[in-house]
Amino acid sequence: DVKVTQSSRYLVKRTGEKVFLECVQDMDHENMFWYRQDPGLGLRLIYFSYDVKMKEKGDIPEGYSVSREKKERFSLILESASTNQTSMYLCASSPPYQGFQGEQFFGPGTRLTVL
Amino acid sequence: DQQVKQNSPSLSVQEGRISILNCDYTNSMFDYFLWYKKYPAEGPTFLISISSIKDKNEDGRFTVFLNKSAKHLSLHIVPSQPGDSAVYFCAASPSSGNTPLVFGKGTRLSVIA
Repeated sequence: DVKVTQSSRYLVKRTGEKVFLECVQDMDHENMFWYRQDPGLGLRLIYFSYDVKMKEKGDIPEGYSVSREKKERFSLILESASTNQTSMYLCASSPPYQGFQGEQFFGPGTRLTVL
Repeated sequence: DQQVKQNSPSLSVQEGRISILNCDYTNSMFDYFLWYKKYPAEGPTFLISISSIKDKNEDGRFTVFLNKSAKHLSLHIVPSQPGDSAVYFCAASPSSGNTPLVFGKGTRLSVIA
């Protein structure tokens, strides 16, 4: 069964802390994504990756960075957490389908609160 | 500029009746469309999809209709059940090029018993 896991379901951090959110998928998918979900704003793409060591900026990359050292793992890094980064963070993965983004499989999400 | 729009933030429907969720898109390069369902504190799960070569796709109680000329799609749930209460996201993608899905802002469906 397809599975995407995220390191924490709930996380509370202080302003200015460096925060790591980890995502692991067991489907051998090439593509991985990080989104944040906020009320009224839907799912907004932060970063995505098509392969190991590769990364692309999404719609709202400011204040975030990513790392993909292994195919199954995609990390989201908040270099210096701020209160406006309090949100639900969702990781997803997908296989490539002839170049178009097929169905994405989502993890359960991490609810991050920055105080 | 929003390329995928779900203009109704919320919808309330009586149990057993039909739920109709709407989605409009602006990018004529989109030719594959998906609906996702999300419960609170869980990740979205894929529900149903349709490609632009079709105008209807059905899966049990769920049917998606696509009107390419109007750049409009809709998700019909018949009959609606209380367990269908969730946020529904519409997403779109072109079939060429390697670009991520574009999501709408979601519609919260409440099915009242």
